[in-house]
Amino acid sequence: QVQLVQSGAEVKKPGASVKVSCKASGYTFTSYYMHWVRQAPGQGLEWMGIINPSGGSTSYAQKFQGRVTMTRDTSTSTVYMELSSLRSEDTAVYYCARDLEVGATSGMDVWGQGTTVTVSS
Amino acid sequence: DIVMTQSPDSLAVSLGERATINCKSSQSVLYSSNNKNYLAWYQQKPGQPPKLLIYWASTRESGVPDRFSGSGSGTDFTLTISSLQAEDVAVYYCQQYYSTPPGFGQGTRLEIK
Repeated sequence: QVQLVQSGAEVKKPGASVKVSCKASGYTFTSYYMHWVRQAPGQGLEWMGIINPSGGSTSYAQKFQGRVTMTRDTSTSTVYMELSSLRSEDTAVYYCARDLEVGATSGMDVWGQGTTVTVSS
Repeated sequence: DIVMTQSPDSLAVSLGERATINCKSSQSVLYSSNNKNYLAWYQQKPGQPPKLLIYWASTRESGVPDRFSGSGSGTDFTLTISSLQAEDVAVYYCQQYYSTPPGFGQGTRLEIK
């Protein structure tokens, strides 16, 4: 079955970086774009960016430009999201989510289980 | 950026009754060349990731009960649950994917009255 499995929870100090992984299985990894979405405690959903696993091209939300890097490893069907210069406001659950349509941007039909990142001194 | 605004912020409905959630976009998400509305609805239960319910504004995702329906076009959209069940208690989000960034509404919390 189609599945996205994310790496485990992280605790980081302000100023540090975090790298979250998302391993895909059950489908052709390079055919579907992958989004990253985060959710701060008790808050709504915030789109961070998207990566095309085929060529590796990315598009980031303006808010995260310069601090976020999304990459992929086609040999392991894994995408990564690295966020640098962490601050307390980055404390959130981070989700990867597969796009619904092949080679296009639409809804997000498969989601990872979420990775909790806590930023605290 | 397209801003998505949902109403109400919270809603309490009796079991078996209809629940209606509205979503308004700051500009049209209807793509004229294919006549499709680039709008999705998600359900999120506590401690779980969001679940896709509806895409293209009115297409139900596979496995989603038919009591869930989506309607609307252009800038105004509605998610309707025809007969509320206990398992429908959740937060519901709309999302546009017409343009980048694909933003979400603020969410509507649905409870049982």
